[in-house]
Amino acid sequence: GAGVSQSPSNKVTEKGKDVELRCDPISGHTALYWYRQSLGQGLEFLIYFQGNSAPDKSGLPSDRFSAERTGGSVSTLTIQRTQQEDSAVYLCASSSLAGTETQYFGPGTRLLVL
Amino acid sequence: GNSVTQMEGPVTLSEEAFLTINCTYTATGYPSLFWYVQYPGEGLQLLLKATKADDKGSNKGFEATYRKETTSFHLEKGSVQVSDSAVYFCALSDHKAGAQKLVFGQGTRLTINP
Repeated sequence: GAGVSQSPSNKVTEKGKDVELRCDPISGHTALYWYRQSLGQGLEFLIYFQGNSAPDKSGLPSDRFSAERTGGSVSTLTIQRTQQEDSAVYLCASSSLAGTETQYFGPGTRLLVL
Repeated sequence: GNSVTQMEGPVTLSEEAFLTINCTYTATGYPSLFWYVQYPGEGLQLLLKATKADDKGSNKGFEATYRKETTSFHLEKGSVQVSDSAVYFCALSDHKAGAQKLVFGQGTRLTINP
């Protein structure tokens, strides 16, 4: 596609429910990143994929957070048993090659946990 | 660990004023440095970057020079426009396992009045 797309654009859920956030990277981009943008913490790295593998999961805040990437393309970020502190904008980015290549960001998914 | 500190906002200027947004970093090794911009209602976009000491990144009238001796990457523009109103993020790349994990500053909200 023309750019990175994410869905849904907005998600409201109740505390304790599971949510899935989707990212479609730019076609052909092998590297994919998830970040979180929240009022208290700013922009934080969550996880990085190269192809289908995730060599760097160091930013995932707890074991309630997981992500997968299939076919070297679409990625899903899953948050189990959501908490109010999970409320944030979740951003996905992709780049053509890990290294010094520019990361292109999607519009984000705004998650609100009530 | 690596970190980025940038000028706290919000910053309000009149059109055609000179802009400086300060950014300093702490890093091991030799990271690449970036300025990203987030216009209202839009996703993060790369504004400019520099990959080694003394490099100058420039785009849309904005400039920033990679200063290793002062560990700084200040953003400047000689004459701002109303359309420059946005949130600006300074970032560095944190290379680990071949990834270009971005570490962001807290963001500076810029408002330009006509």
